[in-house]
Amino acid sequence: SQTIHQWPATLVQPVGSPLSLECTVEGTSNPNLYWYRQAAGRGLQLLFYSVGIGQISSEVPQNLSASRPQDRQFILSSKKLLLSDSGFYLCAWSWGGNPYNEQFFGPGTRLTVL
Amino acid sequence: GQQLNQSPQSMFIQEGEDVSMNCTSSSIFNTWLWYKQDPGEGPVLLIALYKAGELTSNGRLTAQFGITRKDSFLNISASIPSDVGIYFCAGLHGSSNTGKLIFGQGTTLQVKP
Repeated sequence: SQTIHQWPATLVQPVGSPLSLECTVEGTSNPNLYWYRQAAGRGLQLLFYSVGIGQISSEVPQNLSASRPQDRQFILSSKKLLLSDSGFYLCAWSWGGNPYNEQFFGPGTRLTVL
Repeated sequence: GQQLNQSPQSMFIQEGEDVSMNCTSSSIFNTWLWYKQDPGEGPVLLIALYKAGELTSNGRLTAQFGITRKDSFLNISASIPSDVGIYFCAGLHGSSNTGKLIFGQGTTLQVKP
C-alpha cells in the first residue's frame, strides 16, 4: 500500500527565517506530487506540482519554491519567510500517467510565522 | 482562475438527519472527487466519479456526477457525530496526467448529538 509522510507536523518560525518542508511517498513509483496551502481551514490553493524528478511547475507567484531531488521526495522551501506564509501546507500524490487523477493527501504541516 | 461553487458553505444539523451538498461549475469536468477533512488533518478521498450520470455510494455517502458534467452532489444519510468536518468537491478538466484539480471552497458540517 501507499503512504505519504510530511514533516514537521508543526513549525513556528520568525519572519525572515528560511523554511524547508519535506514530503515523501512510499509504495509507488513516479508519482505526480503536489504542494497546497490552506488558509483558515478552508480553500486549497495549489502552489506547485511535479510529474518527475527535477520537474517543477509553479501555479502562483510567491515567496516559496519547490524541488524534487528524488522520485518520491518533494520539498517546499523559502529563503525568507513572510507573515503571509503562515498556513496549513499539504502535500499530495497521484498515480503518474493517471488521467483521472485521484489525489491522496498527507497529514499536513501547520506553519506559523511570527 | 477557475473555481467551483460549493454550497452550502456550512451546515449545522441534528444527528440522524440527512445532508446534501453540491458543487457547480461554468465549465465541463471529466472527473469529480469528494473529500472530507477532519480538523488539523489532510483531506481524505471519499468518492470518485468518472462518468456523467454516474451514481456511486460509499456506506452512508452517495455522490452523483451531473448529466451536464458541470455539477455534482454529495448526500450523507443518517448523519452521526463523526461526520463532522469540512467536505470538499474537486474537479478535473480533460484527461491529463498532470491532473491539476480545481477545488471548491468546502462545506463545513457540524452535527449535534
